[in-house]
Amino acid sequence: DAGVTQSPTHLIKTRGQQVTLRCSPKSGHDTVSWYQQALGQGPQFIFQYYEEEERQRGNFPDRFSGHQFPNYSSELNVNALLLGDSALYLCASSHLWREGRKDTQYFGPGTRLTVL
Amino acid sequence: QQQVKQSPQSLIVQKGGISIINCAYENTAFDYFPWYQQFPGKGPALLIAIRPDVSEKKEGRFTISFNKSAKQFSLHIMDSQPGDSATYFCAASEYSSASKIIFGSGTRLSIRP
Repeated sequence: DAGVTQSPTHLIKTRGQQVTLRCSPKSGHDTVSWYQQALGQGPQFIFQYYEEEERQRGNFPDRFSGHQFPNYSSELNVNALLLGDSALYLCASSHLWREGRKDTQYFGPGTRLTVL
Repeated sequence: QQQVKQSPQSLIVQKGGISIINCAYENTAFDYFPWYQQFPGKGPALLIAIRPDVSEKKEGRFTISFNKSAKQFSLHIMDSQPGDSATYFCAASEYSSASKIIFGSGTRLSIRP
């Protein structure tokens, strides 16, 4: 059973460019969350997608947008890249929380984005 | 606003010793407290988790102690091994918020042989 997969593994961009990161959830999961992990910091929640809609959003500007496809895979788009966007971008998948249901997020290995 | 505070930032423990990492939270709506382990080049992996209706949870060498009134919780790793060397994150979630997780800043643990 494949876990959460992300592509690409590494990416180098320059300021002002746009980037798209991709995530395939663990088999059977319908919910995808994205996190940004700066070097030496804990992951920070960007947003979560379920049924192709953004359900929840963290404190990130509109330059960060996403999409979920009917097969539950997801993309994270970042426009007008800044130096401060350099980080490890993590995708996590889970079942949507429901009362009484175990809800564990499984994380992928991440995409390392470097903005020059 | 840092909702989950974690200490220490780094920790060195001798093999066989006890590793202790502490966390404190502010939001009383948090209802789920997981600990994650992260190795270099990998994503975080769930290690153990607790809900505030119990004061302690043990899984193998890993134990979470939870103090609801003090809004504090800690991870104890007994008989620490070199393979435990990793970065550990405490975290918290409002279960009803469908899995948005707030992470602490992390503790880099090194176990000396």
